[in-house]
Amino acid sequence: KQEVTQIPAALSVPEGENLVLNCSFTDSAIYNLQWFRQDPGKGLTSLLLIQSSQREQTSGRLNASLDKSSGRSTLYIAASQPGDSATYLCAVRRGNNRLAFGKGNQVVVIP
Amino acid sequence: KAGVTQTPRYLIKTRGQQVTLSCSPISGHRSVSWYQQTPGQGLQFLFEYFSETQRNKGNFPGRFSGRQFSNSRSEMNVSTLELGDSALYLCASSSTIAGGQETQYFGPGTRLLVL
Repeated sequence: KQEVTQIPAALSVPEGENLVLNCSFTDSAIYNLQWFRQDPGKGLTSLLLIQSSQREQTSGRLNASLDKSSGRSTLYIAASQPGDSATYLCAVRRGNNRLAFGKGNQVVVIP
Repeated sequence: KAGVTQTPRYLIKTRGQQVTLSCSPISGHRSVSWYQQTPGQGLQFLFEYFSETQRNKGNFPGRFSGRQFSNSRSEMNVSTLELGDSALYLCASSSTIAGGQETQYFGPGTRLLVL
C-alpha cells in the first residue's frame, strides 16, 4: 500500500522567507506526483504536476522536485507572502489509477 | 470554462438517513473521481467513473455507492449514515481516465455533518 508522508504537519514562516515543504512516499513505482493547495473549507487547487520521467517543474515562485529512487519530493515557494497561507498536499498516482494523498503541510506566513 | 461544481455545499443529516451528493465535471471531461476528507484520515479515494462505468473503487463499505450519467455528471450516495461519515466530500474531473498524464480538477466539496 502506497503511503505518503508530509512533515511537518504545520509550520509558520515570516513573510519573505523561502518555504520548503517535503513529501515522501513508500513505493517508487509512480506515474506522477502532484502538489495541491487547499484553503480552509475549500477544494483543492493543482499547483504542479511532475511526471515520473521528470526531475522538476516550475511555475512562477513555485518549484517542485522529484527523486523517485529515494521516494521524495520537495516544494519550494520563493519569497513567501501572506497569501501563501494554506494547506499544501502532495499526492502520488500509481498504476491502480488512484491518487494517494499525504495529510498536508499547514502553512502560515506571518506578515 | 466553468469549473467543477458540487451540490449541495453543506448538508446536515442524522444517523441512519441516506444522502445523495452531486458533481458536475468540467465540460468535456469524462472522468469523475470522488474523495472523502477527514481530519484523522486525510483524503481517501472513494471511486472513479469514466463514461458511465465504475473504473476503480477504494476501500469503503458498500454503503457508499455512485453512478455517472451520460452527460458525465455523477452522483454519490451514502446509505445508513454513521457519525464517522461526517467529512468533506470532494469530486474531481479530468478529460481522460484518471490514470492518464494530466491533472485532475477538484470541486469545492460538499461538507456533510451527521448528527
